[in-house]
Amino acid sequence: DIQMTQSPSSLSASVGDRVTVTCRASQSISRYLNWYQQKPGKAPKLLIYDASSLQSGVPSRFSGSGSGTDFTLTISSLQPEDFATYYCQQSYGSPYTFGLGTKVEIK
Amino acid sequence: QLQLQESGPGLVKPSETLSLTCTVSGGSISSNTYYWGWIRQPPGKGLEWMGSIYYSGNTYYNPSLKSRVTISVDTPKNRFSLKLSSVTATDTAVYYCARHRAGVVTAHWYFDLWGRGTLVTVSS
Repeated sequence: DIQMTQSPSSLSASVGDRVTVTCRASQSISRYLNWYQQKPGKAPKLLIYDASSLQSGVPSRFSGSGSGTDFTLTISSLQPEDFATYYCQQSYGSPYTFGLGTKVEIK
Repeated sequence: QLQLQESGPGLVKPSETLSLTCTVSGGSISSNTYYWGWIRQPPGKGLEWMGSIYYSGNTYYNPSLKSRVTISVDTPKNRFSLKLSSVTATDTAVYYCARHRAGVVTAHWYFDLWGRGTLVTVSS
């Protein structure tokens, strides 16, 4: 199985901060990397697919980059509604595995 | 607007079979544009893809669960189902149904629409 490692596991940030979350795959996955946002008690929401494509309806402050094994999710200016847990997921090969998540908390 | 809704027992006894259904509303499950999947999340933990199905009945399973999982589709009723046999306490989780898009040859394996999820507890 392809292992997905996210860092950090949690971070504290303020509204307006630029936030970066990293995801590393245990082998090259080309650009088959997706990002989700999950708020407590809710289902995950797709933010970014294929490393850098913004899902319809997602604010442009969210962006993704990377290829191969190293990927980044960036929130350019953190908003109050962005406090949540973020998961990466590889869609390169079965089983389609997720990272353990990065919790973004209010500083 | 297409929506997904999970349903089924919230409590299952150890060694029994967990059965859930996902009803698709606002659109057809028989669309050749989408695949339909199950993903679970143990309390306080991460996400695990369990398997997916196409309206034709083609199935794709997580190898770690393949011996216990069966996913089926009921196109007339516009729903698909999950069965997980021989459950233990480690199968306690929120179970989500989700949609992912079909590609030219196979599926795109990212999930763009999710149900709200349903908590299933395995306990005697």
